[in-house]
Amino acid sequence: ETGVTQTPRHLVMGMTNKKSLKCEQHLGHNAMYWYKQSAKKPLELMFVYNFKEQTENNSVPSRFSPECPNSSHLFLHLHTLQPEDSALYLCASSQDSGGGSDTQYFGPGTRLTVL
Amino acid sequence: GQNIDQPTEMTATEGAIVQINCTYQTSGFNGLFWYQQHAGEAPTFLSYNVLDGLEEKGRFSSFLSLSKGYSYLLLKELQMKDSASYLCAVMDSNYQLIWGAGTKLIIKP
Repeated sequence: ETGVTQTPRHLVMGMTNKKSLKCEQHLGHNAMYWYKQSAKKPLELMFVYNFKEQTENNSVPSRFSPECPNSSHLFLHLHTLQPEDSALYLCASSQDSGGGSDTQYFGPGTRLTVL
Repeated sequence: GQNIDQPTEMTATEGAIVQINCTYQTSGFNGLFWYQQHAGEAPTFLSYNVLDGLEEKGRFSSFLSLSKGYSYLLLKELQMKDSASYLCAVMDSNYQLIWGAGTKLIIKP
């Protein structure tokens, strides 16, 4: 248990569906992250929020839409996804996204399958 | 471009020692992290190095050479539960983590 929870753990959706992934951290951190993890590939950073403000958006397609209502919660809204978006989506949190030794703590991920 | 290289897969025997290497080329350097990830689970933090040398934590040690752009994770007295993927990541000059693809470690009895 890392103090970061994600729901759902598994999600299967069609290309026309709309769904949302939820992340919650209980560590009192100020920064939260969304990553995409595909088999045998490096983790891809998607979005970073620091003190609820989005500070990074690494050229992610608009079919992925993040929302950070407060420092403890992070959502990823999904719509009209493609089969190549199937992957493990990991949420992480850290004390502050601007520090060198700032360790990120990960949730267990949502395994997403797009049909 | 930025690049982190580590072997795709390694096999070792229970009770033995294994060294997982990581080389990096990044724009700036603000530290190197090692994470462990069991299949279907969250990556968990193992170690952080920012200066040259060896950091020891129980059965796990991590080494960094800044001049060579090189790190290794050393696992001693291997146990079956050490079977996992080991991820190397470097924090660049923008304080963004650049990740390697991970090394899958298989432990055999």
